[in-house]
Amino acid sequence: SQQGEEDPQALSIQEGENATMNCSYKTSINNLQWYRQNSGRGLVHLILIRSNEREKHSGRLRVTLDTSKKSSSLLITASRAADTASYFCATDNSGNTGKLIFGQGTTLQVKP
Amino acid sequence: KAGVTQTPRYLIKTRGQQVTLSCSPISGHRSVSWYQQTPGQGLQFLFEYFSETQRNKGNFPGRFSGRQFSNSRSEMNVSTLELGDSALYLCASSLQIGNTEAFFGQGTRLTVV
Repeated sequence: SQQGEEDPQALSIQEGENATMNCSYKTSINNLQWYRQNSGRGLVHLILIRSNEREKHSGRLRVTLDTSKKSSSLLITASRAADTASYFCATDNSGNTGKLIFGQGTTLQVKP
Repeated sequence: KAGVTQTPRYLIKTRGQQVTLSCSPISGHRSVSWYQQTPGQGLQFLFEYFSETQRNKGNFPGRFSGRQFSNSRSEMNVSTLELGDSALYLCASSLQIGNTEAFFGQGTRLTVV
């Protein structure tokens, strides 16, 4: 079963705008990872944020984590047409396993 | 450093047949996990291997099996294929078990007809 719920399911913006995607989860976690997937291809790892971290940056990406609300957000600033993809959050609930539980994903369309 | 390599990329099989998919992890990575992605169920965990041992298994029937070799390469096998097994099968490679980044391959697109 899916642990994460992502919101919105679909997002359409213009190039240059910012895109924000949210992810909620149900149980306590060790870390949360964000991935990008282009047209049914493999998942590209974007960023990992640990349960004791609140914010992390990587280039145009900013990820926040609120463990009290069991939620995370991914912000893509100054979006580009190449950012068009599906974005997934995945949680790692235990340090004893690498099993990731994925959300259903947010489909982002960036219009040129 | 080469990424995660999955072969084959595409596969068409007939119901009742069996299939074997292969995954070569990133060099130095010892943990390999498999996931099934379908439009209806999303991304679901199949199993995880570390040091040639299955460490965790998802909620899939026994027709789905896997193994890991001493060089960390992994294979998964699906026997008696059903139409519902049509999916993108993704392999993920990690340095260790848990609490670390998982890097995915391009996947194997399996179509069962």
